[in-house]
Amino acid sequence: EPEVTQTPSHQVTQMGQEVILRCVPISNHLYFYWYRQILGQKVEFLVSFYNNEISEKSEIFDDQFSVERPDGSNFTLKIRSTKLEDSAMYFCASSDQGGRTEAFFGQGTRLTVV
Amino acid sequence: DQQVKQNSPSLSVQEGRISILNCDYTNSMFDYFLWYKKYPAEGPTFLISISSIKDKNEDGRFTVFLNKSAKHLSLHIVPSQPGDSAVYFCAAKELVFGAGTILRVKS
Repeated sequence: EPEVTQTPSHQVTQMGQEVILRCVPISNHLYFYWYRQILGQKVEFLVSFYNNEISEKSEIFDDQFSVERPDGSNFTLKIRSTKLEDSAMYFCASSDQGGRTEAFFGQGTRLTVV
Repeated sequence: DQQVKQNSPSLSVQEGRISILNCDYTNSMFDYFLWYKKYPAEGPTFLISISSIKDKNEDGRFTVFLNKSAKHLSLHIVPSQPGDSAVYFCAAKELVFGAGTILRVKS
């Protein structure tokens, strides 16, 4: 069964450093998403990406965040200068029809900023 | 700004009985809702969805009911099984998630 894969599973970084979280969406999907879940809190939408551009973003997704689809298979989330409060699980997801069908989630990357 | 609310943080049910998880939303523009299940250390997995043109959608043991006038949806699981124990999130499209309800099914 096709799945969304995320690497690494756990990333520890120092405050102020840049991190790149990587995702390989399901191959025939066209819509890509990043979410985060701070420990004990709800899943929060960060950004959606379609046709090589951001289609929607939340207020969490400020200038320190960026997304990229550098090739035909990867989808990345970059955090430019990490803060302690960026520590969270980051989930990538993809779907084939945008808002009218389910999104398939990866296993997540646990980001710990120290 | 909680556009999707799950007011019960947890629910405990006996195996074989019905589990009912509730979700309320505030934005009447939402027209597609999904339920996801999440186990610890895993990503959410899709369970069932409903479009606003319907008031019920059923898939095996899972049924979602939508009451548009009340801006309320519920997920019914019957019969509940211990393997259903997880966190359940309702979501409006893929963009707005509720806080989740922890379901524990006791055997």
